[in-house]
Amino acid sequence: AQSVTQLDSQVPVFEEAPVELRCNYSSSVSVYLFWYVQYPNQGLQLLLKYLSGSTLVESINGFEAEFNKSQTSFHLRKPSVHISDTAEYFCAVRNGSSNTGKLIFGQGTTLQVKP
Amino acid sequence: GAGVSQSPSNKVTEKGKDVELRCDPISGHTALYWYRQRLGQGLEFLIYFQGNSAPDKSGLPSDRFSAERTGESVSTLTIQRTQQEDSAVYLCASSFSGVGSYEQYFGPGTRLTVT
Repeated sequence: AQSVTQLDSQVPVFEEAPVELRCNYSSSVSVYLFWYVQYPNQGLQLLLKYLSGSTLVESINGFEAEFNKSQTSFHLRKPSVHISDTAEYFCAVRNGSSNTGKLIFGQGTTLQVKP
Repeated sequence: GAGVSQSPSNKVTEKGKDVELRCDPISGHTALYWYRQRLGQGLEFLIYFQGNSAPDKSGLPSDRFSAERTGESVSTLTIQRTQQEDSAVYLCASSFSGVGSYEQYFGPGTRLTVT
């Protein structure tokens, strides 16, 4: 069965510092990988996704994630965070050949950006 | 356009009572998903609808949980004889299809508290 592990439940960081949120998955089949973000008092939003092709994917607000098949990882990075990036981040995996599309989520990482 | 909507936003119920949670997906989305998010945990998949059939119910935790969908529209998740462990945020998501790489759009969730 597929599973997702987010190694850090909370990541405190100062504004303008770099950050990495770690995500590892287990799967014996091809996968699609996603990062979702949940800002305070808001719903879950897709941040970025890896489906195929280039292993480095980027979001419009400066985040990037790299699919590493050998390490079964999809870590999320940003070189310089803003206060507004404070949120909960969820990594999710989906079986690439699935005909249901269900997502398996990690437990989430709370990013706390301090001034 | 309108996103996924869910009602009620909050529900407090007594242990042993039945509850119904409603989801209105984005118009034209044939796939609909229910997830559950317990406090401090990631989202757990409950059930997937394609149209009004449910080919994947593997995440329903017990026979107290059931769901229906009317055509390619509204879905209702029913929990009978609620227990305290049912307390969670219940999220609904919809997408164009369960097949392929279509993005899932999430509703704001219903926070269920069982006292």
